[in-house]
Amino acid sequence: AQSVTQLGSHVSVSEGALVLLRCNYSSSVPPYLFWYVQYPNQGLQLLLKYTSAATLVKGINGFEAEFKKSETSFHLTKPSAHMSDAAEYFCAVTHSGYSTLTFGKGTMLLVSP
Amino acid sequence: DVKVTQSSRYLVKRTGEKVFLECVQDMDHENMFWYRQDPGLGLRLIYFSYDVKMKEKGDIPEGYSVSREKKERFSLILESASTNQTSMYLCASSLGGLAGLYNEQFFGPGTRLTVL
Repeated sequence: AQSVTQLGSHVSVSEGALVLLRCNYSSSVPPYLFWYVQYPNQGLQLLLKYTSAATLVKGINGFEAEFKKSETSFHLTKPSAHMSDAAEYFCAVTHSGYSTLTFGKGTMLLVSP
Repeated sequence: DVKVTQSSRYLVKRTGEKVFLECVQDMDHENMFWYRQDPGLGLRLIYFSYDVKMKEKGDIPEGYSVSREKKERFSLILESASTNQTSMYLCASSLGGLAGLYNEQFFGPGTRLTVL
C-alpha cells in the first residue's frame, strides 16, 4: 500500500518569500513521486516528477523538490514566491507496475503582496 | 501538447437524473481515469480503464459506472444522480505499458457538477 501526507491544508507566504510545501510518502517499494498544481477552475498540471534519477528535481515556474529516502519526504520549494503561484498543490505517489497515482489532500498556497 | 477535453465545464442536474460526463484525449493513451475532487479530500479515484472495454474500480466506485468503447473516449455515468454526487469531476489519461513507466497523468479542465 502507498499513501501521501501533505502537512498543512493552507500555507500563506508574502510575495518574495520562500515557499515550502511538505509531502511525506509511504511506500513499500521504490516510489515515483509527483507534484501537480491546480489553478482556480482548472485541471491539474504537472510541476515536476521524481523517477529515481537525480534526487533534486527541477520543475516549471522555478519550483524544485528533493527526494529524501531517509525522511520519506519530497518537499516542494521555490526561493521567491510570486502572486501567480497562488494555487492548490498536490503531491502524488506511484511505483513501477502500477497504473494509478495516490494523491495527497492538497495544500492551498496563498501569496500576499 | 497532450489535450484532454471534457464535455462540459459546468453542469446542473436534478436528483434521479441519469448523467453522462464525457472525456476525450488526443494522444493515443492507453490509460484513462475518472476522479472526483472535494474540498479537504483531495482527488479520489472513481474508475480507470487500461484498454478499450476494460475497466477497474477505484476507491469510490459506488453510484458510478463507466464506458470505454473507443480508445480516445472514456465516459462516466451517474445512473441516478444524488445530491452527494455534487462535486468537481476530473478526467485524466496516461501512457500504458513500458512507455508509461512513470505513469505521469494528463488532466482535463474538470466538470463542476451540481445535483439539486
